[in-house]
Amino acid sequence: EDQVTQSPEALRLQEGESSSLNCSYTVSGLRGLFWYRQDPGKGPEFLFTLYSAGEEKEKERLKATLTKKESFLHITAPKPEDSATYLCAVQDWAGNNRKLIWGLGTSLAVNP
Amino acid sequence: GAVVSQHPSWVICKSGTSVKIECRSLDFQATTMFWYRQFPKQSLMLMATSNEGSKATYEQGVEKDKFLINHASLTLSTLTVTSAHPEDSSFYICSARDRKWDPYNEQFFGPGTRLTVL
Repeated sequence: EDQVTQSPEALRLQEGESSSLNCSYTVSGLRGLFWYRQDPGKGPEFLFTLYSAGEEKEKERLKATLTKKESFLHITAPKPEDSATYLCAVQDWAGNNRKLIWGLGTSLAVNP
Repeated sequence: GAVVSQHPSWVICKSGTSVKIECRSLDFQATTMFWYRQFPKQSLMLMATSNEGSKATYEQGVEKDKFLINHASLTLSTLTVTSAHPEDSSFYICSARDRKWDPYNEQFFGPGTRLTVL
């Protein structure tokens, strides 16, 4: 059964303190892995799509990487405005390939 | 680009009434839209997949007669919560995929609708 596990559940950083969020997945065949950011009371905001192992994408202070078993979201020198919940989701080749399988998210707090 | 809107952003209604929520893709066409429900401090729960011109596909445990979905055009899907009760109070979020790359591309989300049933 497809499964997505995110860790840690919550993370508190000081401004400028770099760290990484983890998304481990189990699927029959990965079609795509997606990272989103969600602020309280708002819909998720799309960040990245990764399709194959070894792929990397960057946007400002964020960098997403992908292996055959997991993805990392690296946050370099975070600022308080990076505080949010980061969600990871995967899409499988098999079964209902229109659905995303979601992780529970990592709640990130960046203190000034 | 890739903007999805929802209306209303919040609604309060009395128990037993029906509420309609609209989801629009503003700058792209969407063959497929999705409706999610999210409880406080929990992840997204897919309720149904809305397909333009055909019936929606509901997830297990979601009552299709209670949550009516209509995807009448390539830019609009609606969710109607019929005979709403307090347990239906939640945050409802829609998403859409650009039909140019469907079905293997990212979903873009609306801002969500907060429903409170008294």
